[in-house]
Order: sequence, then C-alpha cells, then structure tokens
Amino acid sequence: GQQLNQSPQSMFIQEGEDVSMNCTSSSIFNTWLWYKQDPGEGPVLLIALYKAGELTSNGRLTAQFGITRKDSFLNISASIPSDVGIYFCAGQNYGGSQGNLIFGKGTKLSVKP
Amino acid sequence: EAQVTQNPRYLITVTGKKLTVTCSQNMNHEYMSWYRQDPGLGLRQIYYSMNVEVTDKGDVPEGYKVSRKEKRNFPLILESPSPNQTSLYFCASKGTRGGYTFGSGTRLTVV
Repeated sequence: GQQLNQSPQSMFIQEGEDVSMNCTSSSIFNTWLWYKQDPGEGPVLLIALYKAGELTSNGRLTAQFGITRKDSFLNISASIPSDVGIYFCAGQNYGGSQGNLIFGKGTKLSVKP
Repeated sequence: EAQVTQNPRYLITVTGKKLTVTCSQNMNHEYMSWYRQDPGLGLRQIYYSMNVEVTDKGDVPEGYKVSRKEKRNFPLILESPSPNQTSLYFCASKGTRGGYTFGSGTRLTVV
C-alpha cells in the first residue's frame, strides 16, 4: 500500500529547543493530520489541515499543508518534557475514501530536561 | 464522554483459536477503522467502514474479518490467528471531516 515518508525517525533534544519534522508523499493528498502517541495509549489528533498552503497553530505546535499537496511539516516551539512521545503524520489521498487514512512511520521525540 | 472503547486491552491466545476484538463508539460517527501497529512499521490500516454494512480493505486485510451491523460497533475477527498477527491493534472512528479518534488499544499475542 501507499506510504508516507516521515522524517526524522527519532530526535533527542534539550528542553527549550524547537523541533521540526515533516512528511512527504509521491501523490497528492487533500487532508493532512498530525497525531501524538503517548506510551500505552492510542494516537491523539493534534492538528488537521484541509487546504494547500494552510498554516495552523495549536499552542506551541504549528503545522502546514504544503503548497504542492505532497508534503506537510510540524513544528514544536520551546519543547518541554511532556512533549515526549511518537508523532505521526497522516493523510487522505486525493480522490480516495475519507475512511482510508494513511500514516507515516512516526517520529520518536525525546526531551532532555 | 466521547470515546472509542475496545476490548480486551490485553489478550494472549493460541494459534488457530478464533477470537473477536470488540469496538464501540458513542459519537455517532460514520467511519470506523482498524489499525495494527508494529515496531518500525507505524500504523497500518486493516479494514475500514463508511457506514452500516459498508466495509473496505485497508493495506493489510489478510487474516482478518470485520462486520458493521450497527453504526456504533465494528468488531475485528481473527478466524484462525497466527503468530504474525501478534501486534498492537487500534480501533478508531471519525465523522465526515477530520481525523480518526482512537481507542486505547488491544495488545494481542498469538503463541
């Protein structure tokens, strides 16, 4: 099946630093989503993007829907220890079913106090 | 509280013994889905459903069955489980816009 290329695979940063991660696809997407998963829990939706070029913030998190519709990035500013977890991008293929949501393999974030 | 509830949270079973993982949502969502999560492979979609009696295969449907007889329930059935189906399974639901809301997961071990 189709896959999203998410990078980096893992990051180990100091508290207070900014973080950036991104996802790319070989095909066009009409929805991009960013999730966070804490250990032992299901993923939780952070930000949803619906239009090319859209830039959306949720507290210290900012995500953008790439203008080509083939990529998206997530930034976290001034990281704190509770930002630790796995971040997933997800997308819905243009012309595909709304139920068919494809996930990247995740970025594991570690924050050193 | 709006939620997706799946049971059981943990299950150890033997090869070939049929099992069902239940999933229920209380948000009147049209879409429901099952994902499996494996180290290094991320979340892969097994099956999804657009509404009652309407289901479709995801990326890894082999060895699984689903049914959607009621809008709120979407059970996952393993007719003859094998060790390669040992995984962490998530049920999820969504409305007509936005992303899936996930359950807390079912950790399945097949020995």
